Amino acid sequence: NAGVMQNPRHLVRRRGQEARLRCSPMKGHSHVYWYRQLPEEGLKFMVYLQKENIIDESGMPKERFSAEFPKEGPSILRIQQVVRGDSAAYFCASSPAVVNTGELFFGEGSRLTVL
Amino acid sequence: GENVEQHPSTLSVQEGDSAVIKCTYSDSASNYFPWYKQELGKRPQLIIDIRSNVGEKKDQRIAVTLNKTAKHFSLHITETQPEDSAVYFCAASIGTGFQKLVFGTGTRLLVSP
Repeated sequence: NAGVMQNPRHLVRRRGQEARLRCSPMKGHSHVYWYRQLPEEGLKFMVYLQKENIIDESGMPKERFSAEFPKEGPSILRIQQVVRGDSAAYFCASSPAVVNTGELFFGEGSRLTVL
Repeated sequence: GENVEQHPSTLSVQEGDSAVIKCTYSDSASNYFPWYKQELGKRPQLIIDIRSNVGEKKDQRIAVTLNKTAKHFSLHITETQPEDSAVYFCAASIGTGFQKLVFGTGTRLLVSP
């Protein structure tokens, strides 16, 4: 059973370009969460999605950031017009459906560097 | 807003010593408290968790205690080994209905042989 798969693992973008990060949850998991980790800091919640629904995006910056989890395919975190402050590790996590409290399974992360 | 504070930010111990990391949380509705270990460049991995109906949980050399009245919980690692060296994050669940976690800022544990 493959774990949470994220790609790319490393992404370099110049200021103003777009970054797309993909996440495939564990098999049988229908809940996806995105967290951002700045260097030397903890993980910050960004968004929680179920298939075709954004449930909570309270941690997402109001501009340039968007997320989706389509009926088919991986969840995508999209950052438009990247700036240097967007450089961070972006972790995706998944959990099974119908869970109130339980383990989040994290992917290996996508490390974005903005030049 | 919801907040989780974690101390210390760095902790150096000798192999075989015990290590204790403490966290406090602000949301009285929090009912799930996991601890994650993150090695350099790797993903966070759950090492132990505790729910609000339990005051203490132990798994071999690792134990977690929870004081809901004081809103704090702690991680205890006994007989530390060099491979325990990593960054440890506490977290607390926020709200109900799904698994939104607020993380502490991390503790860098260094175990010297």
